[in-house]
Amino acid sequence: DAGVIQSPRHEVTEMGQEVTLRCKPISGHDYLFWYRQTMMRGLELLIYFNNNVPIDDSGMPEDRFSAKMPNASFSTLKIQPSEPRDSAVYFCASSPDSSQWKETQYFGPGTRLLVL
Amino acid sequence: GNSVTQMEGPVTLSEEAFLTINCTYTATGYPSLFWYVQYPGEGLQLLLKATKADDKGSNKGFEATYRKETTSFHLEKGSVQVSDSAVYFCALSDRNTGFQKLVFGTGTRLLVSP
Repeated sequence: DAGVIQSPRHEVTEMGQEVTLRCKPISGHDYLFWYRQTMMRGLELLIYFNNNVPIDDSGMPEDRFSAKMPNASFSTLKIQPSEPRDSAVYFCASSPDSSQWKETQYFGPGTRLLVL
Repeated sequence: GNSVTQMEGPVTLSEEAFLTINCTYTATGYPSLFWYVQYPGEGLQLLLKATKADDKGSNKGFEATYRKETTSFHLEKGSVQVSDSAVYFCALSDRNTGFQKLVFGTGTRLLVSP
């Protein structure tokens, strides 16, 4: 398997623009997670899905952030409008639901976002 | 609530030195404990895990023992290599918050020089 795939790997945009980050989880994994990583706040869980349904979005910072999972192989994280403080590395991760390693999360390479 | 506390970094060592990175946790239930590693420019990857008290997780020469009495899960390696330079994250998952939801520490950067 190719692992968790994220795109784009790098994104530079201007304040006020819409940004869409994409994630393809590992095939067969039932859980999908979105994280944000910054120097100041470390690694933060934004939202996670189980079988395409959002389970916990308490980490989503504000209404400018939204996430969807229309099917088992694709998820998006959208920021509209973007602000400079949204600059961070955004990770997607997935995990299986049936094995002794069900708690193990597999991370993608991340999308490095810079909002000017 | 659940939390993980790691030692501040960076930890700077010479090759072949002994490594310890401290991790303590607070949890309401009986958590599973993890160490993840992040190499430069990459995502996190699982290094090792332990699911119950006194379990020892090990991988690539790294070890950590789940100590319930001291609520600790310290990471150790007997002889580090330059290639071990990375950021190490301690994490836990708990039945009370859904095992799939991980709580991470702030990370400890390890720098190994030749």
